[in-house]
Amino acid sequence: GAGVSQSPSNKVTEKGKDVELRCDPISGHTALYWYRQSLGQGLEFLIYFQGNSAPDKSGLPSDRFSAERTGGSVSTLTIQRTQQEDSAVYLCASSLSGEETQYFGPGTRLLVL
Amino acid sequence: AQSVAQPEDQVNVAEGNPLTVKCTYSVSGNPYLFWYVQYPNRGLQFLLKYITGDNLVKGSYGFEAEFNKSQTSFHLKKPSALVSDSALYFCAVRDPWAGNNRKLIWGLGTSLAVNP
Repeated sequence: GAGVSQSPSNKVTEKGKDVELRCDPISGHTALYWYRQSLGQGLEFLIYFQGNSAPDKSGLPSDRFSAERTGGSVSTLTIQRTQQEDSAVYLCASSLSGEETQYFGPGTRLLVL
Repeated sequence: AQSVAQPEDQVNVAEGNPLTVKCTYSVSGNPYLFWYVQYPNRGLQFLLKYITGDNLVKGSYGFEAEFNKSQTSFHLKKPSALVSDSALYFCAVRDPWAGNNRKLIWGLGTSLAVNP
């Protein structure tokens, strides 16, 4: 079946611009995670959605970052006023409710010039 | 604080030889441990996990890992390496204090190079 999809696969933007990254989880997966993969910093958790519950935003690095999940499916991660340090690969993962294994999308590679 | 360490940035092994990629962890409570693999320009692929039960866990592509509580380790192993195993390998542990949020805490990754 279809896996987690993300778009765009690559995004180049200028410092100060806003960007939106999209994640389409596996059908039926109620849990959705965003992670950021930076050179030298490894993977870090950003935000978690579970069904209709309030998201866990504890990993968002600043108030320039926000995310929403519409209809319990597609999620959008928005970065406002991008900075060069936001350059990274943004990974989305989903899982079944109560399931430990997370399934990852291919990521969006963001470059802020 | 919960953490995961992968002490080797790179591991080199000849094709056909056994391989080991090391991982140690520091968590309070019972650890839930994972290995993922990342091929170039691709997302992370799940290999195996330890939740409870038998300390030796078998996973995808012939990989296995052994949970060792006394040494707080979860090393990834394969009896006979293939060139196609060359990739970046990540060890991760679930944060046991995050409630329903099953967020993972990650090691920095180990680059495995299998030489023909």
